[in-house]
Amino acid sequence: DAKTTQPPSMDCAEGRAANLPCNHSTISGNEYVYWYRQIHSQGPQYIIHGLKNNETNEMASLIITEDRKSSTLILPHATLRDTAVYYCIVRVASGAGSYQLTFGKGTKLSVIP
Amino acid sequence: DGGITQSPKYLFRKEGQNVTLSCEQNLNHDAMYWYRQDPGQGLRLIYYSQIVNDFQKGDIAEGYSVSREKKESFPLTVTSAQKNPTAFYLCASSPLAGKVYNEQFFGPGTRLTVL
Repeated sequence: DAKTTQPPSMDCAEGRAANLPCNHSTISGNEYVYWYRQIHSQGPQYIIHGLKNNETNEMASLIITEDRKSSTLILPHATLRDTAVYYCIVRVASGAGSYQLTFGKGTKLSVIP
Repeated sequence: DGGITQSPKYLFRKEGQNVTLSCEQNLNHDAMYWYRQDPGQGLRLIYYSQIVNDFQKGDIAEGYSVSREKKESFPLTVTSAQKNPTAFYLCASSPLAGKVYNEQFFGPGTRLTVL
């Protein structure tokens, strides 16, 4: 799987949009971008995924650049409950490697009142 | 309620003892996984299973063993051969092994401390 690079930490004011960047410059054509988050001492939670088009769901939006070398997860109105470590993961679409999620250290997002 | 349960939440064992961590899911998912997380680190895959009676080693399988006798259950045994077993262990499952878009659903984790 392609390696990802994320900033180790970010702060965001409550109610503002949180924009979390991720670089994946070695991503290949059959790899998807996934985002998970992990609240302290809990299991990770799936947020969103995409291939090349921008995606939106009830939790967040995912913006993928045209060359697919980077992406941004957007939490439109951050709340205190969004404080967590956010992981950006790229994963092959099928085959044996599709079963493995390679988690880096992620970005620790702190939402400040 | 549908979900993944792991028990116990906290587990203490003496060095040299084998210990088995439980993972049960009632989501009717085909695939199940075990990950290990150390403080300040990401998750590392220990074992995964796509179907009953079959499982594959992940990146750090040494010192661990698993079984998949039932679709709902995927217990992990941490053996005395695991040199540094103290960690946070996470179980996950996903629907339809091989499906392209399958996300993984995680349990609450078991924090194992070996004294």
